Amino acid sequence: NAGVTQTPKFQVLKTGQSMTLQCAQDMNHNSMYWYRQDPGMGLRLIYYSASEGTTDKGEVPNGYNVSRLNKREFSLRLESAAPSQTSVYFCASSEGGRYGYTFGSGTRLTVV
Amino acid sequence: DQQVKQNSPSLSVQEGRISILNCDYTNSMFDYFLWYKKYPAEGPTFLISISSIKDKNEDGRFTVFLNKSAKHLSLHIVPSQPGDSAVYFCAARSAGGTSYGKLTFGQGTILTVHP
Repeated sequence: NAGVTQTPKFQVLKTGQSMTLQCAQDMNHNSMYWYRQDPGMGLRLIYYSASEGTTDKGEVPNGYNVSRLNKREFSLRLESAAPSQTSVYFCASSEGGRYGYTFGSGTRLTVV
Repeated sequence: DQQVKQNSPSLSVQEGRISILNCDYTNSMFDYFLWYKKYPAEGPTFLISISSIKDKNEDGRFTVFLNKSAKHLSLHIVPSQPGDSAVYFCAARSAGGTSYGKLTFGQGTILTVHP
């Protein structure tokens, strides 16, 4: 019962470095999401993909790009990391319904 | 423009007593309201939801109340247990248009239940 799997769990980057956060789900969900969690700010939507082949900006997309590689996988890329991108990143998937999203366990990213 | 707000950053209660977590929203175009629970180093997990056409939903020790006229929902936990200590997020699901199905989250409330 894997659900949503995120890699890596922890990462430290230097300012200006790039990296890709990986996310995969095995529930055959159509929709996938990337959120960031910051103290006092709750969960803010970065990008989402309503279905394979589509992606859209969320509330805080600046500095990020995404790729919906196939129905299972949705990656988040930081092209030039900044200290303001230090956060915990969560990937989620959904098939609608009253249960909302299934979340991964998160990636804790620190940019120094 | 925060559409979903949890105005209490933290709440502390004694084991066995009631915990009441509150959430306010400003947009009427939501069809479901949900509560998620989050432990440290884990992702949020679904706890309970309520349709916008209902005013109460109960699941064991957890009850969610929806007051549509006040645009307010609350989560009651009775009796509270130390294992309930976590961050609780309320969320609202968009009912239509290009945002259909998307969840908007509140800031979260840290609940601490003391033995």
